[in-house]
Amino acid sequence: DAKTTQPTSMDCAEGRAANLPCNHSTISGNEYVYWYRQIHSQGPQYIIHGLKNNETNEMASLIITEDRKSSTLILPHATLRDTAVYYCIVRRQGGSEKLVFGKGTKLTVNP
Amino acid sequence: GAGVSQSPRYKVAKRGQDVALRCDPISGHVSLFWYQQALGQGPEFLTYFQNEAQLDKSGLPSDRFFAERPEGSVSTLKIQRTQQEDSAVYLCASSLEGSRPSGANVLTFGAGSRLTVL
Repeated sequence: DAKTTQPTSMDCAEGRAANLPCNHSTISGNEYVYWYRQIHSQGPQYIIHGLKNNETNEMASLIITEDRKSSTLILPHATLRDTAVYYCIVRRQGGSEKLVFGKGTKLTVNP
Repeated sequence: GAGVSQSPRYKVAKRGQDVALRCDPISGHVSLFWYQQALGQGPEFLTYFQNEAQLDKSGLPSDRFFAERPEGSVSTLKIQRTQQEDSAVYLCASSLEGSRPSGANVLTFGAGSRLTVL
């Protein structure tokens, strides 16, 4: 599975949009991009995933560049409860079922 | 149940003791995963079950680690002769489907079992 690169940490003001970048320059055509987050003392929580089209759900939006080499997770109106480590994961279609986590981005939402 | 349940939430063991960690996945979920998470790190894959079959155990760090899911539902991760380096949070996750060519693989995680080996 392709490797991903994320910033170690980011800060965001409460109520503002949080934009979390992820580079996956070696992604293959059949690999999906997944985002999970992990709030302190909890297990990781699924947020969103996509292949090549932009995706939106009740939690977030996922913007994937046309060449698919990078993506951005957008939390439109960040709250203090969005403070967490955010993981960007690439997984091959039909490949191993496991998800391979990196170190993620520690997002701190400030009041 | 509504989510993945893990027990115990906290376990303190003396070095050399055996421990057993339990995972109750979401009812009907075919796939079950165990991950190990050291402090400040991302979760590291340990092993994967599809129903009762252990299809991937490539992440188990040593032969002291053993996992089972005999009836395809509840799973137990056993660590024999615990060492200090085994101290970590052990996460269990389940997903509805087994191998799917569509690729969508949404895992639901439990809160984890925090193991401290003294």
